[in-house]
Amino acid sequence: DAKTTQPTSMDCAEGRAANLPCNHSTISGNEYVYWYRQIHSQGPQYIIHGLKNNETNEMASLIITEDRKSSTLILPHATLRDTAVYYCIVKRSQGNLIFGKGTKLSVKP
Amino acid sequence: KAGVTQTPRYLIKTRGQQVTLSCSPISGHRSVSWYQQTPGQGLQFLFEYFSETQRNKGNFPGRFSGRQFSNSRSEMNVSTLELGDSALYLCASSSTGTSGTYEQYFGPGTRLTVT
Repeated sequence: DAKTTQPTSMDCAEGRAANLPCNHSTISGNEYVYWYRQIHSQGPQYIIHGLKNNETNEMASLIITEDRKSSTLILPHATLRDTAVYYCIVKRSQGNLIFGKGTKLSVKP
Repeated sequence: KAGVTQTPRYLIKTRGQQVTLSCSPISGHRSVSWYQQTPGQGLQFLFEYFSETQRNKGNFPGRFSGRQFSNSRSEMNVSTLELGDSALYLCASSSTGTSGTYEQYFGPGTRLTVT
């Protein structure tokens, strides 16, 4: 599975959009981009995933560049409850999740 | 739908003992994966079971084992506990979607402390 690179930490003002970047320059054609988040001491929570096209659900939007070498997770109106570690994971449709260190997002009032 | 449940939520054991953790997946999910999370190593994959068969395995010693029952419930066992086994053990369940992708849904975890 391809490796991902994420910033260690980010801050975001409450109510503003949080844009979390992820680089995955070695992604293969059959690999998907998944995003999970983990709020302190809880189990990771699935957010969204995509292959080529941009995706949106009730939690977030996922923007994948045309060459698929990077992506951005967008939380449109961040709240204090969105403070968490966000993991970008690239993997084939089956197979285990390989978690990196993720991005620690702090949403501030 | 009820989420993934794990029991017990907290456990304290002594070095050398063994422990069994339980996971009940979301109804209809046939795949159960186990992960270990420690401050030093982060989240690491232990193994995955699908239809009672181990389908995938991480790089952990043989002291870590698991099994899955016909109702998809899973247990993991750690024998001869070491201090370094203190961790949050997470279980995740999933089902294969029609597109071939599948999202994993995690339980709250079992916090194991080895003294």
